[in-house]
Amino acid sequence: DVVMTQSPLSLPVTLGQPASISCRSTQGLVYSDGKTYLNWFQQRPGQSPRRLIYKVSNRDSGVPDRFSGSGSGTDFTLKISRVEAEDVGVYYCMQGTHWPLSFGGGTKVEI
Amino acid sequence: QITLKESGPTLVKPTQTLTLTCTFSGFSLSTSGVSVGWIRQPPGKALEWLALIFWDDDKRYSPSLKSRLTIIKDTSKNQVVLTMTNMDPVDTATYYCARSYFNNYFDYWGQGTLVTVSS
Repeated sequence: DVVMTQSPLSLPVTLGQPASISCRSTQGLVYSDGKTYLNWFQQRPGQSPRRLIYKVSNRDSGVPDRFSGSGSGTDFTLKISRVEAEDVGVYYCMQGTHWPLSFGGGTKVEI
Repeated sequence: QITLKESGPTLVKPTQTLTLTCTFSGFSLSTSGVSVGWIRQPPGKALEWLALIFWDDDKRYSPSLKSRLTIIKDTSKNQVVLTMTNMDPVDTATYYCARSYFNNYFDYWGQGTLVTVSS
């Protein structure tokens, strides 16, 4: 099974400053179609998860452009260019290349 | 507009079978590439994928829970049902259903339903 490891577990941030979350997989995430199925989700307090990024770097509709995803192979990163108060919550990476599907353990972003 | 909503009991006893229903709108589970999955989250913990059913009735399960899970769909009712047997207190969690399109997993989520396992 592919294990997704996120770091840090907790990320204190300053409003207006950048933030970065790392996600590493135990296997490469390139699928047979040549695409890499690595997603990022945001879960605000008391809410359902919301997908922010799919296939490493594609923002979902309505996601602010201060969120960006990058990476390849086994190392991936979610960046917030300038943190806003509404960005507080837990962020999860998830791989959709190998069965079983798997999520990272989460990174808590707090002001 | 795509929506999903989970329904089922809020409290089950140990050893009982849990049955959860995901009722959705705004898409069809007969459309090629579409799937609906279940994910759970114990209080204060991370997300865990459980099961997925595809438009063509292919099914995938988490290996660690496969013996206890069954997922089925009713395309005419726009519903997906998950059953989990032999419930235990460690299965206490919020259970979510979510839609996917091909390998682009979980673009839309339900609000979740908290299931507590206790005698």
